[in-house]
Amino acid sequence: GQQLNQSPQSMFIQEGEDVSMNCTSSSIFNTWLWYKQDPGEGPVLLIALYKAGELTSNGRLTAQFGITRKDSFLNISASIPSDVGIYFCAGQLPSSGSARQLTFGSGTQLTVLP
Amino acid sequence: EAQVTQNPRYLITVTGKKLTVTCSQNMNHEYMSWYRQDPGLGLRQIYYSMNVEVTDKGDVPEGYKVSRKEKRNFPLILESPSPNQTSLYFCASSSYGVAQPQHFGDGTRLSIL
Repeated sequence: GQQLNQSPQSMFIQEGEDVSMNCTSSSIFNTWLWYKQDPGEGPVLLIALYKAGELTSNGRLTAQFGITRKDSFLNISASIPSDVGIYFCAGQLPSSGSARQLTFGSGTQLTVLP
Repeated sequence: EAQVTQNPRYLITVTGKKLTVTCSQNMNHEYMSWYRQDPGLGLRQIYYSMNVEVTDKGDVPEGYKVSRKEKRNFPLILESPSPNQTSLYFCASSSYGVAQPQHFGDGTRLSIL
């Protein structure tokens, strides 16, 4: 399957700091999604991006769909302890046989230190 | 409450003993999917279903079967489980439309000894 390169793999930050993570691919995607997974739970959708250049916010979270359609980033401002978890990017290819088939990045493990 | 429900949540079993993981959604979603999650690999799609009686292979279908006899249910079947199928499994569903995001269950942790 297609590869999504998500970085960094892990981050340790102090409470109150801003966080940035990104996903890149050699392929063009129609849609970029960002999910968060808490321990023992399934991923929960944070932000969905549908157009190149789109910048969308959800509270302290901001994500952008890259102009080239091959990348996306997620920023978290003023981190708090409950931001701890694994963040996944996911992309939908334009040529996907199913309109719902997603390719996931390998995840960014975020730890927020008090 | 909108939910995707998986059972069991945890299972330890032995090689070769057939098992089924059930998945049910109450949102009348057409699309359902199974993923496995392994450390450092993210989520990889096993099988998906566009609607009742319509299923197709994802990226890692070997060793798995699925069925979609009813819209709400999408069981994952391991006919002869092997240790390399030890993993965390997630079921997801979404409505059919332009890039409707998928809703995930809470996961099933399988250990095959």
